[in-house]
Amino acid sequence: DIQMTQSPSFVSAAVGDRVTITCRASQGISSWLAWYQQKPGRAPKLLIYAASSLHSGVPSRFSGSGSGTDFTLTITNLQPEDFATYYCQQANNSPPLTFGGGTKVEIK
Amino acid sequence: QVQLQESGPGLVMPSETLSLTCTVSGGSFSTYYWGWIRQPPGMGPEWIGYFYYSGITNYNPSLKSRVTISVDTSKNQFSLNLSSVTAADTAVYYCARAHTIGGEGRWFDPWGQGTLVTVSS
Repeated sequence: DIQMTQSPSFVSAAVGDRVTITCRASQGISSWLAWYQQKPGRAPKLLIYAASSLHSGVPSRFSGSGSGTDFTLTITNLQPEDFATYYCQQANNSPPLTFGGGTKVEIK
Repeated sequence: QVQLQESGPGLVMPSETLSLTCTVSGGSFSTYYWGWIRQPPGMGPEWIGYFYYSGITNYNPSLKSRVTISVDTSKNQFSLNLSSVTAADTAVYYCARAHTIGGEGRWFDPWGQGTLVTVSS
């Protein structure tokens, strides 16, 4: 299985800050990576697919980059509604599909 | 727009079979993959499996011996059966549509709201 390691697991930030979350795959997955946002009691929502493509309706302050084994989700100008937990998911065709352990973004 | 809704028992006895149904509205099964994902309390999501409208199925190897995903196109529903459950199968279970680019990659959107299934006697 391809293991996905996210860091940090927790980040404290203020409104207006820039937040960067990293996801590392245990083997190369090209650009087959997705990012999700999850709020308490809600289903995950797709933010980014194919490492850097912004999903329809997602604000442009979210961006993704990377390929191979190292990927980054960046949130610029953090807004109150962005406080949530973020997950990466390796989306390579070869199963199993796997998710990272999550990064919780909390208000400083 | 496509919406998904999970349904099924919230409590299952150990060693029995967990059965859930996902009802899809606002779209058809064709040209997409459709899957199940679960999330134990306080943990990250875990992919269970998916099917393609042509009949292809693919399961997480860690669950493969216990999982079956089936589809009823006449009702716009697909189902999950997970046999011989234990407390470790307690989780929120989600159904979701999977997207690809030219058949490559698998990412999920939208998701159903999820349903909590507890395995306990």
